[in-house]
Amino acid sequence: QKEVEQNSGPLSVPEGAIASLNCTYSDRGSQSFFWYRQYSGKSPELIMSIYSNGDKEDGRFTAQLNKASQYVSLLIRDSQPSDSATYLCAVNKDSNYQLIWGAGTKLIIKP
Amino acid sequence: NAGVMQNPRHLVRRRGQEARLRCSPMKGHSHVYWYRQLPEEGLKFMVYLQKENIIDESGMPKERFSAEFPKEGPSILRIQQVVRGDSAAYFCASSLQGLNQPQHFGDGTRLSIL
Repeated sequence: QKEVEQNSGPLSVPEGAIASLNCTYSDRGSQSFFWYRQYSGKSPELIMSIYSNGDKEDGRFTAQLNKASQYVSLLIRDSQPSDSATYLCAVNKDSNYQLIWGAGTKLIIKP
Repeated sequence: NAGVMQNPRHLVRRRGQEARLRCSPMKGHSHVYWYRQLPEEGLKFMVYLQKENIIDESGMPKERFSAEFPKEGPSILRIQQVVRGDSAAYFCASSLQGLNQPQHFGDGTRLSIL
């Protein structure tokens, strides 16, 4: 089992709909969770960080964390074609600085 | 520009040459991470450094690769005697502190080996 798992996609969502991206992790002691967006040929860009159970909203983005079930998700409301990218989930290891990265989910927003 | 600065953006080397990649972290950040990414693949952790110290190099190949982060100046990732398989994008990230902090990425160096 990979330490951080994401569905590779591609996930195709019509413009204006909600895109839902999921990530599961194996280390129960993980404390910090991050979502990054990476456009093709570009570097990863931090979108959201979340540290406690529940929802965290920032504009059109909502991160959801459920430590009991060991998953973290990212919702994108009112999806735009410019949201088309690969979304990377990163989780810190228990008591460790190191981030463990998922392989990413490719999201395609269809106009 | 207060972001993570990497240079060069593109680097072409012939097999057997040396490649030096530089990274200046965000202002105030003292933690630096290097990653490698092949096309259509995920990020692969290579090394984590603080000023003058290598904290974790578990992702670095044992031979030909080295990294440093001197007291003054940028962090350097050095690849000696490059081979075709070293062709990749190399990203540097920095964070304010190590634990529980987000990492901010530079634009990367695209290394091509002829």
